[in-house]
Amino acid sequence: ETGVTQSPTHLIKTRGQQVTLRCSSQSGHNTVSWYQQALGQGPQFIFQYYREEENGRGNFPPRFSGLQFPNYSSELNVNALELDDSALYLCASSAKQGTEKLFFGSGTQLSVL
Amino acid sequence: AQKITQTQPGMFVQEKEAVTLDCTYDTSDPSYGLFWYKQPSSGEMIFLIYQGSYDQQNATEGRYSLNFQKARKSANLVISASQLGDSAMYFCAMRENLGGSEKLVFGKGTKLTVNP
Repeated sequence: ETGVTQSPTHLIKTRGQQVTLRCSSQSGHNTVSWYQQALGQGPQFIFQYYREEENGRGNFPPRFSGLQFPNYSSELNVNALELDDSALYLCASSAKQGTEKLFFGSGTQLSVL
Repeated sequence: AQKITQTQPGMFVQEKEAVTLDCTYDTSDPSYGLFWYKQPSSGEMIFLIYQGSYDQQNATEGRYSLNFQKARKSANLVISASQLGDSAMYFCAMRENLGGSEKLVFGKGTKLTVNP
């Protein structure tokens, strides 16, 4: 079975731009969560999608948005990038909405200049 | 709000020795779950071990064991017979319910270095 894959691995943007990060869930997983990990910190929950609908959100502004597609792949979109958005963005998938058996990808390292 | 505290920014251990990574937590929920993840330099978060709040016995997974002391609200990770490949960041996390979904709340992590 394939694992969670994220693209791109690295990305450089300038302040004010928009960015789209992509995630392919592990086969058979219908739930995907996104986390932001700033340098020297633990990951922080952004939101979760289940069957193409957002069903949980962390303390992030509306310029962080997402999509989940019928094949359970997912996108994280960030508008009006700020310098503090520089971080590792991790995608995690699971076969159900719980946090047990979460499988993480290797992340996308976003740098905002 | 739930909180995870990892007080050791960095730990060093000699190869083949055991090491304990500390984690304390704070929650008012009677039912909760605690996790440990390993994050190598590649960035991927690798699940190591899980302990439920009602589990009677401490969790074990191969060389990993969780020293769960509920009254003290601690969930320390014990790695036995350390290997060079164990060098990585280690994160303690707690499950938090969001009313229909769940999320993980992570500590700041401990960087473990295994010396030959």
